[in-house]
Amino acid sequence: AQSVTQLDSQVPVFEEAPVELRCNYSSSVSVYLFWYVQYPNQGLQLLLKYLSGSTLVKGINGFEAEFNKSQTSFHLRKPSVHISDTAEYFCAVTANTGFQKLVFGTGTRLLVSP
Amino acid sequence: GAVVSQHPSWVICKSGTSVKIECRSLDFQATTMFWYRQFPKQSLMLMATSNEGSKATYEQGVEKDKFLINHASLTLSTLTVTSAHPEDSSFYICSASLLAGGPRETQYFGPGTRLLVL
Repeated sequence: AQSVTQLDSQVPVFEEAPVELRCNYSSSVSVYLFWYVQYPNQGLQLLLKYLSGSTLVKGINGFEAEFNKSQTSFHLRKPSVHISDTAEYFCAVTANTGFQKLVFGTGTRLLVSP
Repeated sequence: GAVVSQHPSWVICKSGTSVKIECRSLDFQATTMFWYRQFPKQSLMLMATSNEGSKATYEQGVEKDKFLINHASLTLSTLTVTSAHPEDSSFYICSASLLAGGPRETQYFGPGTRLLVL
C-alpha cells in the first residue's frame, strides 16, 4: 500500500516570493506521483505528474517538482508566486502497475499575500 | 476541455432518506469514473471505481449496499447514498478518465458535492 504525507497544512507567503510545498510518500513498489491544485469551488486540476525519465518535472502555471527516490519525496516548487496561486495543493501517489488508485495527502493550503 | 460536473453541489437531507449525486463528463467520454469522499481536514479517500456498463469495484471498508454506484453511460455516473445517516455527511468528489483507469492516466475531477444529513 502507498501513503502520502504533506506535513504543512498551510503555507503563507508573500507575492513574488519562492515557495516549496513538501510531499513525502511511502510505498513498497514503484510509483507514479502527482500534484493537483484545487481552487475555491472548483474540482482538482492536475498540475504535473512524474511517470518516468527526468526527475525534474515541469507543470502548468510555472510550477515544477522534483522526484527524489532516495528521500521518497516529490516537493513542489515555484520561483515566484502570484496572488492567483492561492489554493489547496494535493500530492498523490499510485502504484505504477494495475489500475490507478490515487492515494492523496491531506493537502497544503497556499496563502499568497500582497 | 475535460470538464466534469457534479449535481447537486450541496444537499441537506433528513436521516433515513436516500440521496443521489450525479457526475457527468461534459466534453469527453469517460471509460472509468472514480468516487471519493473527503472529511474536513483529511485527504480524499477513494470509495469505488466504476467502468461503463459494469459493476463498480469498491474499496475495502466501503459498504456497496450503502453507496450504490451506477455508471450507465460513458458520460454519467451516479452515487446514491441509501438510508443516509449523520455520519454519512461529507464532501463527495467524482473524477473521470478517458481510458481504462491505468496508473499513468490523468483523472479529471468534479467540483464536489457537500452532503449534510440531519
